[in-house]
Amino acid sequence: KQEVTQIPAALSVPEGENLVLNCSFTDSAIYNLQWFRQDPGKGLTSLLLIQSSQREQTSGRLNASLDKSSGRSTLYIAASQPGDSATYLCASLSLTGGGNKLTFGTGTQLKVEL
Amino acid sequence: ETGVTQSPTHLIKTRGQQVTLRCSSQSGHNTVSWYQQALGQGPQFIFQYYREEENGRGNFPPRFSGLQFPNYSSELNVNALELDDSALYLCASSLDMFPGGDTQYFGPGTRLTVL
Repeated sequence: KQEVTQIPAALSVPEGENLVLNCSFTDSAIYNLQWFRQDPGKGLTSLLLIQSSQREQTSGRLNASLDKSSGRSTLYIAASQPGDSATYLCASLSLTGGGNKLTFGTGTQLKVEL
Repeated sequence: ETGVTQSPTHLIKTRGQQVTLRCSSQSGHNTVSWYQQALGQGPQFIFQYYREEENGRGNFPPRFSGLQFPNYSSELNVNALELDDSALYLCASSLDMFPGGDTQYFGPGTRLTVL
């Protein structure tokens, strides 16, 4: 059974700081790893998707890496802004008993302060 | 804007009642998945439908059931509601069921409160 863990659970940083969010997973037999953003009480917005054959993906100030062998992924946010404040969730995609199932971590709640 | 819509936005029910939540996927997306997100937790996979048939289920009891329709809409039905069913229910659609890079697009969710 896949388990996904995210560290830290919460993070508060001053504006402009670079930061790293961590995600670990127990079963390396994944098809991809996705990072999502969730604003309070809202749905999920996909940020980056890394295929199992890839090492990293970049979008603007965001960079996500994937190391399947160690069961780890990181999300790097450069030059953080107050608008980046949200909960960040990572999820691994695996095929289990039929269907493509996303297994989520519990998220990192990020607050970027002025 | 993902093109996935859900209704209603919020819902309040009492224990023992039944509820139906609705989702409208992006046109052409043959796969819809439903997730339950309790407060402070990550979403948990309930089940997935592909071309109107259930093809995967998480650790949820049979009182959670679903339907998918040819017009890319779907329903999540929950019978005999319990207090622990209070959560944000999310649906996600994707083009096909096969892995390999197909992003799942999430709707805004339905907030269910069971009293």
